[in-house]
Amino acid sequence: SQQGEEDPQALSIQEGENATMNCSYKTSINNLQWYRQNSGRGLVHLILIRSNEREKHSGRLRVTLDTSKKSSSLLITASRAADTASYFCATDALEGNTDKLIFGTGTRLQVFP
Amino acid sequence: EAGVAQSPRYKIIEKRQSVAFWCNPISGHATLYWYQQILGQGPKLLIQFQNNGVVDDSQLPKDRFSAERLKGVDSTLKIQPAKLEDSAVYLCASSLGYWYGGESYNEQFFGPGTRLTVL
Repeated sequence: SQQGEEDPQALSIQEGENATMNCSYKTSINNLQWYRQNSGRGLVHLILIRSNEREKHSGRLRVTLDTSKKSSSLLITASRAADTASYFCATDALEGNTDKLIFGTGTRLQVFP
Repeated sequence: EAGVAQSPRYKIIEKRQSVAFWCNPISGHATLYWYQQILGQGPKLLIQFQNNGVVDDSQLPKDRFSAERLKGVDSTLKIQPAKLEDSAVYLCASSLGYWYGGESYNEQFFGPGTRLTVL
């Protein structure tokens, strides 16, 4: 079963605009991670936010986490055509020491030049 | 550093045939994962190894799927016999897979995947 549900399922924007994707999950977590997948490079880890963190930045990426609402958001600022990809959230649930990640359904982002 | 290697990249077989996928993780990574990703969905974990022991195989269809990780390094995933619904991309990932101070450090590094088509 998939823990995370991304919203929206698909998003189309122009270069230079910001893109926001949301993720909701069901159980308590150790951390939440965001991954990007495109046909050229496969799945790539973007950023990890721990359950005791509320916001994290990495370059043009900004991630927030609200554990009370069991939700996270990924903001990509000043988007580029190269950001076109599918974005997945993945949760590391509190299940012992298995380090098991459960991926969401993904958001397909299209950035037009 | 070298990434996760997988082979083959593509495979087309007929239903009821057998197929095997190979994965070589990043050197030093203790944890290895096999995922199945059906078109339009997120990756689903099939099996997780810690060194050469199985940590989680709860979603592995054990009547037809098998996996091993000999010597705690390379791994193979086998499907025998294949069904039409096995058509998917099979992803291998690895991570350092350690805990420190009560927190996990499990950023996963993925290989390019094997696209399997079952006819």
